[in-house]
Amino acid sequence: GAGVSQSPSNKVTEKGKDVELRCDPISGHTALYWYRQSLGQGLEFLIYFQGNSAPDKSGLPSDRFSAERTGGSVSTLTIQRTQQEDSAVYLCASSLQPDSRTQYFGPGTRLTVL
Amino acid sequence: SQKIEQNSEALNIQEGKTATLTCNYTNYSPAYLQWYRQDPGRGPVFLLLIRENEKEKRKERLKVTFDTTLKQSLFHITASQPADSATYLCALGIGAGSYQLTFGKGTKLSVIP
Repeated sequence: GAGVSQSPSNKVTEKGKDVELRCDPISGHTALYWYRQSLGQGLEFLIYFQGNSAPDKSGLPSDRFSAERTGGSVSTLTIQRTQQEDSAVYLCASSLQPDSRTQYFGPGTRLTVL
Repeated sequence: SQKIEQNSEALNIQEGKTATLTCNYTNYSPAYLQWYRQDPGRGPVFLLLIRENEKEKRKERLKVTFDTTLKQSLFHITASQPADSATYLCALGIGAGSYQLTFGKGTKLSVIP
């Protein structure tokens, strides 16, 4: 079946611009996560959505970052006024809760801020 | 402070040998630990999960151990193949009800023919 998909696969933007990254989770998966992976660093948790509950935004690095999940499915991560330090691979994952803790990752969006 | 350390950034081994990767953590009390494989340009892929009350898990050529006293997990690949070359990530699940994973930086394994 279809896995987690993300778009775009690559995004190059200028400092100060806003960007939107999209994630389509696996159908039926109620949990959705966003992570950031910078060069030489581990995956950094950003935000978590579970069903209709309020999202856990504890990992968002600044108020320039926000995310929403519409209809319990597709999610969009928005970065406003991008900075060079925002350059990273942004990974989305989904999981079937509460059966397992296994997370299924998408291929990521590579963001480059010039 | 809380830390997760994977023993080395890179590990080279000869084909057919057993690869052993280490994940050490401090100031965490994980309810479970997972190992993922990540290939270049791709997202991580789940391999194994081991819970705090389990000592060992196996899946085909893979074996994971979990020692909560030593605060360490070992990940073994037996009869390694060049196709096993990838970066391997360990991730801690904190709390029985926790959904949030905390990842190590990974170990890049190269299996040399």
